[in-house]
Amino acid sequence: GAVVSQHPSWVICKSGTSVKIECRSLDFQATTMFWYRQFPKQSLMLMATSNEGSKATYEQGVEKDKFLINHASLTLSTLTVTSAHPEDSSFYICSATGGKNIQYFGAGTRLSVL
Amino acid sequence: AQTVTQSQPEMSVQEAETVTLSCTYDTSENNYYLFWYKQPPSRQMILVIRQEAYKQQNATENRFSVNFQKAAKSFSLKISDSQLGDTAMYFCAFMKFNYGQNFVFGPGTRLSVLP
Repeated sequence: GAVVSQHPSWVICKSGTSVKIECRSLDFQATTMFWYRQFPKQSLMLMATSNEGSKATYEQGVEKDKFLINHASLTLSTLTVTSAHPEDSSFYICSATGGKNIQYFGAGTRLSVL
Repeated sequence: AQTVTQSQPEMSVQEAETVTLSCTYDTSENNYYLFWYKQPPSRQMILVIRQEAYKQQNATENRFSVNFQKAAKSFSLKISDSQLGDTAMYFCAFMKFNYGQNFVFGPGTRLSVLP
């Protein structure tokens, strides 16, 4: 099956610093990638949809200046949490759409902001 | 807008028994996809099964099968011969028919398989 690699799996940072999370489709070209946020014991909340070579589409209530998304190639999308604060601590998951209208998910990144 | 409801926050089943997880959805679309994903303690989302709305036949993947009732907008998941490794959160998801559309996830059902 299609593989999506997400890195890092866990990151701890100080308040005010920026953190970059990478999402790579390893064996297929992903025209569209998605970024989700998941709070403990809750469902996935879509943050933004990213299409290669164009600006990301953010969901209502998601700060685009706080969560910078870049989708520079068909296999790589990045999410940068800028000036992170403790309330940004969460589990972030990316996914990529292959040719069968199926979303393949990365293993997620646990962000802890001190 | 589409919504997905999973009315069972938690369920448990004895090993080797059968369990059914419920999912209902609301949409005005005629063509769409429905999915069941599982999220084990590792938190990796894993595709369990996929159903195209234009197909009347219910999808089956080994021990996993669905009961898709389009008119009732119901999409339940049956797990037969439950195994300890089936313990996970299960999410029902809806996607419009067009390529690259985002998912709408339900709130999830936490399934525990008991030895």
